[in-house]
Amino acid sequence: QKEVEQNSGPLSVPEGAIASLNCTYSDRGSQSFFWYRQYSGKSPELIMSIYSNGDKEDGRFTAQLNKASQYVSLLIRDSQPSDSATYLCAVKNTGNQFYFGTGTSLTVIP
Amino acid sequence: ETGVTQTPRHLVMGMTNKKSLKCEQHLGHNAMYWYKQSAKKPLELMFVYSLEERVENNSVPSRFSPECPNSSHLFLHLHTLQPEDSALYLCASSQDGYGYTFGSGTRLTVV
Repeated sequence: QKEVEQNSGPLSVPEGAIASLNCTYSDRGSQSFFWYRQYSGKSPELIMSIYSNGDKEDGRFTAQLNKASQYVSLLIRDSQPSDSATYLCAVKNTGNQFYFGTGTSLTVIP
Repeated sequence: ETGVTQTPRHLVMGMTNKKSLKCEQHLGHNAMYWYKQSAKKPLELMFVYSLEERVENNSVPSRFSPECPNSSHLFLHLHTLQPEDSALYLCASSQDGYGYTFGSGTRLTVV
């Protein structure tokens, strides 16, 4: 079983729609969860971190965490073409190790 | 300079060459990392230097050799690489595992 799993996509949404990206993880005791955005040919950049159950909002981005279901998601409201990128989910597990998913490719269609 | 800087941005090397990748962080972080990113695969952690201790992924071949002379600088020495080692190599730094910041990466091609 992989530590972190994501649907690789590609996910396509029209401009202005809500994009929903999902991630599951295997270590039930994990406490720290992160979403990174990676544009083609660029390095990953941190866009959201979440540590507690529930929702965390930052501008057009909302991270949702459900530890009981071992599930973390990222919602992007009012999607823009500039949001087109690969989104990486990362989890810091109980062993203090950092694991990344394979990433979900998002395309926002103008 | 700010953040994490990596050089070179692109590198093409033959299988018998020896080269080194360089990383420097300007964030005052206490941990530095080397990651390998191949197409369609998750980011693979290769080496961690935290508080001057090295932790490595045991699956990394010995043809990759890291060096961390101080908390701000990290090198990855490469020798007798294979074509399957072609990938994007990313350096990152953090403070106690938080605030991960990546460098721009070195795109390595082994011919």
